[in-house]
Amino acid sequence: GAVVSQHPSRVICKSGTSVKIECRSLDFQATTMFWYRQFPKKSLMLMATSNEGSKATYEQGVEKDKFLINHASLTLSTLTVTSAHPEDSSFYICSAAGTGNGYTFGSGTRLTVV
Amino acid sequence: GEDVEQSLFLSVREGDSSVINCTYTDSSSTYLYWYKQEPGAGLQLLTYIFSNMDMKQDQRLTVLLNKKDKHLSLRIADTQTGDSAIYFCAERPRDDKIIFGKGTRLHILP
Repeated sequence: GAVVSQHPSRVICKSGTSVKIECRSLDFQATTMFWYRQFPKKSLMLMATSNEGSKATYEQGVEKDKFLINHASLTLSTLTVTSAHPEDSSFYICSAAGTGNGYTFGSGTRLTVV
Repeated sequence: GEDVEQSLFLSVREGDSSVINCTYTDSSSTYLYWYKQEPGAGLQLLTYIFSNMDMKQDQRLTVLLNKKDKHLSLRIADTQTGDSAIYFCAERPRDDKIIFGKGTRLHILP
């Protein structure tokens, strides 16, 4: 079935550095990718929606210059957290909308900024 | 491998109970979740259950966990039109990993 591979699963970075998270659809074409952020025991907040080849649509309150999303191909979308700070520490997860096959999620990335 | 399975569609008459089923594979998961996604919105955490529990009830929602069979269900009593959404089952085998099902689209019939 449809698989989305998300890497890295866990990353620790220093404050002020940038971190890139990748989501790859392994056996299908992901025309739309969703990026979420989760806080402990809380809902997954939708950060942005990206369509292949076009600019991502960011949800209100999400800084697009801080959370850079690139969806340059039908199989790869990336989220880059620029100039990360401790408050950016969170669990990030991507999801690709399938064509009649439901949604396929990555397994998530635990980001810790120290 | 790790996998969470759930059916993609469910139709229920308004006022009836909805039961959404899910099976998972990783017996080490300590948390199991149900999320709700309404059109254009993020995933709202509906409820979660610890793996050492069999049942959890919260108003119209009842979660049943059969750990032996790795089966999780969400029952919505007195289903309303506002319950129309996509429901995701998820397991968390460890802190840096969460595995979602593909979502069950609940359609409410008048």
